[in-house]
Amino acid sequence: QVQLQESGPGLVKPSETLSLTCAMSGGSISNYYWSWIRQSPGKGLEWIGYIFYSGYTIDYSGYTKYNPSLKSRVAISLDTSENHFFLRLSSVTAADTAVYFCARHSRPQWNHDGFNIWGQGAVVTVST
Amino acid sequence: EIVLTQSPGTLSLSPGDRATLSCRASQSVSNNYLAWYQQKPGQAPKLLIYDASSRAAGIPDRFSGSGSGTDFSLTISRLEPEDFAVFYCQQYADSSPLTFGGGTKVEIK
Repeated sequence: QVQLQESGPGLVKPSETLSLTCAMSGGSISNYYWSWIRQSPGKGLEWIGYIFYSGYTIDYSGYTKYNPSLKSRVAISLDTSENHFFLRLSSVTAADTAVYFCARHSRPQWNHDGFNIWGQGAVVTVST
Repeated sequence: EIVLTQSPGTLSLSPGDRATLSCRASQSVSNNYLAWYQQKPGQAPKLLIYDASSRAAGIPDRFSGSGSGTDFSLTISRLEPEDFAVFYCQQYADSSPLTFGGGTKVEIK
């Protein structure tokens, strides 16, 4: 059974970079789309971006797509050997304070999909 | 960007009641690529419905989704005590960006 677990610093200073890891267990990171989503009281649920790795190419960087509102500051990557994927969000402000979730799209090789597996969420506060 | 507007903001009902939640999109959601989630305090959202009307694995049949185009709804036929929560719709027709509605809270009357 696939499970996801977010980890990373709970406190980040303004202007610095937020870095989170999502550890996937019970399956393979290949052939599925993996997303980061955040939730804050002010903005509700907000999709940050996704990454996909087919497993059929030698390019292990994966295909990414980001929310246009965050695109200039966000990077999602993955480590196929560890079944982890990562979020980096640069130049953070208080508005980036939120619970950050990693999630898997339901069906293999399909990005037009809901999220059927979620991590428990990581609380990140941006403050001095 | 497809904006999803959920109504009402809060629904006050009793166990055994029927609940009908609405999700309206700012433009047509192609292929009815719309999902519904339930979220309880301190937990991640849980997928209930995908493709507007298909129940996710393990979801009881008292949950049903319907609609097309810009108007969608989630119906809970008879509310059980564990159903009281916040419900969100999400569209995945347009990934620039994927978007969620603002949520409807179903509370005990």
